[in-house]
Amino acid sequence: AQSVAQPEDQVNVAEGNPLTVKCTYSVSGNPYLFWYVQYPNRGLQFLLKYITGDNLVKGSYGFEAEFNKSQTSFHLKKPSALVSDSALYFCAVRDESSGGSYIPTFGRGTSLIVHP
Amino acid sequence: GAGVSQSPSNKVTEKGKDVELRCDPISGHTALYWYRQSLGQGLEFLIYFQGNSAPDKSGLPSDRFSAERTGGSVSTLTIQRTQQEDSAVYLCASSPRGSQTNTGELFFGEGSRLTVL
Repeated sequence: AQSVAQPEDQVNVAEGNPLTVKCTYSVSGNPYLFWYVQYPNRGLQFLLKYITGDNLVKGSYGFEAEFNKSQTSFHLKKPSALVSDSALYFCAVRDESSGGSYIPTFGRGTSLIVHP
Repeated sequence: GAGVSQSPSNKVTEKGKDVELRCDPISGHTALYWYRQSLGQGLEFLIYFQGNSAPDKSGLPSDRFSAERTGGSVSTLTIQRTQQEDSAVYLCASSPRGSQTNTGELFFGEGSRLTVL
């Protein structure tokens, strides 16, 4: 079984400050991890993914995420938030093991609000 | 190139009526997914198609829900005898391959918002 937890329903940050959106996961084998962003009345857009290799992954719009195997976490970060970053963020996981599912499991989403 | 296209974008129906939601995936994508997004519930997996293989229907919430994919391309999600709890945004996504070696992301459509009165 695979699962994802996003412990915060909402994150508030001032423009120009660093932001972190938290995600923890559970899989039987090795994880494939993803972050997506959803703007109002739109579908989800891919931001970045971790498959293997460097624990720090860089993605679109200046976002990055750090894979931490011991803590089973994949937190999304950005050094300096913009008002336009305000959106709903989803973490997703897929188990890459031979018996794993091809179907990613998504978290409940975290609403990021960046204040001017 | 064209992305994932879903129609209708909005659908209002009366309780007990049947509805059909359509998804046109990105050309060449063999994997197709349906998810449901309800307020505060995140994304709930419904059904997954991969090529000509039997679909994974494990996420369908009841036998009122069904889906088909014709010719390995367009998919239709059908909800029979709609209930108010079916109100949600139904998202379709496609991916180049759903195989074990595919590490890629999903490409989502903009969704079909269903309101059951």
